[in-house]
Amino acid sequence: NAGVTQTPKFQVLKTGQSMTLQCAQDMNHNSMYWYRQDPGMGLRLIYYSASEGTTDKGEVPNGYNVSRLNKREFSLRLESAAPSQTSVYFCASRATGEETQYFGPGTRLLVL
Amino acid sequence: SQQGEEDPQALSIQEGENATMNCSYKTSINNLQWYRQNSGRGLVHLILIRSNEREKHSGRLRVTLDTSKKSSSLLITASRAADTASYFCATPSGGSGTYKYIFGTGTRLKVLA
Repeated sequence: NAGVTQTPKFQVLKTGQSMTLQCAQDMNHNSMYWYRQDPGMGLRLIYYSASEGTTDKGEVPNGYNVSRLNKREFSLRLESAAPSQTSVYFCASRATGEETQYFGPGTRLLVL
Repeated sequence: SQQGEEDPQALSIQEGENATMNCSYKTSINNLQWYRQNSGRGLVHLILIRSNEREKHSGRLRVTLDTSKKSSSLLITASRAADTASYFCATPSGGSGTYKYIFGTGTRLKVLA
């Protein structure tokens, strides 16, 4: 099992460009999450999907959109990137009834 | 917003020593988790303690939970260089069945060989 995979590993964007961060899990988990991690801020929840077909906002959703494409895949889209979105983005998944989240390796995004 | 806070923010110890880090949170919880993050990697779950537990052990890890003080501590005994990482606590945001979790700001542990 690959667990949680994320692509790309690293991306540089110019202000105003758009991009989609991809996340997939092969553990048959219902819930999936997108977090951003900034120095000294810990992880902050952007969006989550409790199950296939549903998505909800987290703590910092502005400037992002998500799509739960199917049970395996949960993508995060930046429509018009801003320097404030420079961060490391983590995807995670969780099985129903369990508390443990399984994290991907992260995507480092630099917006110039 | 609710956010766990760990202290210290950074900790440097010699190999073989014990490392203790603390987490405080703001609202009532039914469980608390600790995660480890190696540099440049994703978080890995270490241990979960439920609100009706006061202490839990897993290998060299010992976690305590004091719900009256809304705090938890993680003790790593006989630390090794491989324990060098950041450690985060995580608490559910909301009541039973919540899907959201709040992560603390983390403690950076450096174990010197």
